[in-house]
Amino acid sequence: NAGVTQTPKFQVLKTGQSMTLQCAQDMNHEYMSWYRQDPGMGLRLIHYSVGAGITDQGEVPNGYNVSRSTTEDFPLRLLSAAPSQTSVYFCASSFDRRGEKLFFGSGTQLSVL
Amino acid sequence: TQLLEQSPQFLSIQEGENLTVYCNSSSVFSSLQWYRQEPGEGPVLLVTVVTGGEVKKLKRLTFQFGDARKDSSLHITAAQPGDTGLYLCAGAETGNQFYFGTGTSLTVIP
Repeated sequence: NAGVTQTPKFQVLKTGQSMTLQCAQDMNHEYMSWYRQDPGMGLRLIHYSVGAGITDQGEVPNGYNVSRSTTEDFPLRLLSAAPSQTSVYFCASSFDRRGEKLFFGSGTQLSVL
Repeated sequence: TQLLEQSPQFLSIQEGENLTVYCNSSSVFSSLQWYRQEPGEGPVLLVTVVTGGEVKKLKRLTFQFGDARKDSSLHITAAQPGDTGLYLCAGAETGNQFYFGTGTSLTVIP
C-alpha cells in the first residue's frame, strides 16, 4: 500500500497564480485533512472531510478551497496565491471520523513569490 | 493563540542523556497524541493517551497524560541519534478537529 500520496513535492508560484495540491489515499479512510506547517507554529488545520461529499473548515481556511468527490482523493486549491501561503502543506487521513491516529503524506513545499 | 504549548522549543543533548518534553494547555482534551517528524517527511504517530494519569511506554520512550487531561509529557531515556526529530503533541478537544502543539526540535549528538 502507498498510504497517503501527495503531489507535487515542490512548487514555486507567482502571486496571483492558482494551483491544486493533490492528495490520494488507498486505505479507505473516511477522514482526510489538510494542514500547513510554518516555523514555530506547529501544524494548523486548513480544511477537513469526514467522507465523500462532506467538507468543513479548520483553523486557517481563508484562501483555500477543497472538495471530496471520492473517498480516495482530497485536493486542495489555491485560487489566487499570496506570499503568506508560502508553507509546507501536509495531507493526512484517518480511519477515525474524529481524525485521531492520522497518517500523513510526505508534504508539499510551496513558495509564493 | 496556541491551544497546546510545548517546551522546550529546541533541545540539543549528548547521546545517552535523558530528556523530558512537555505539552501544556488550559483546555481539557479527550485524548492526546504524540508524533515524531523527520526532515522532509510527514509526522508519524507514536502513541495515543486517553485516560487522565495514563502512562504508556514505547521502548525508551515514556508518555504520560496529566490527571486533569490538560497536559502531557514525553520522557526519553538514554537518547540515541535516531531519536533526533521534531516531536509534536496533538489534542482532540471538540468535534473533528485536532490541535497540534508548537513542536520540540530534538537533536541528539553522537
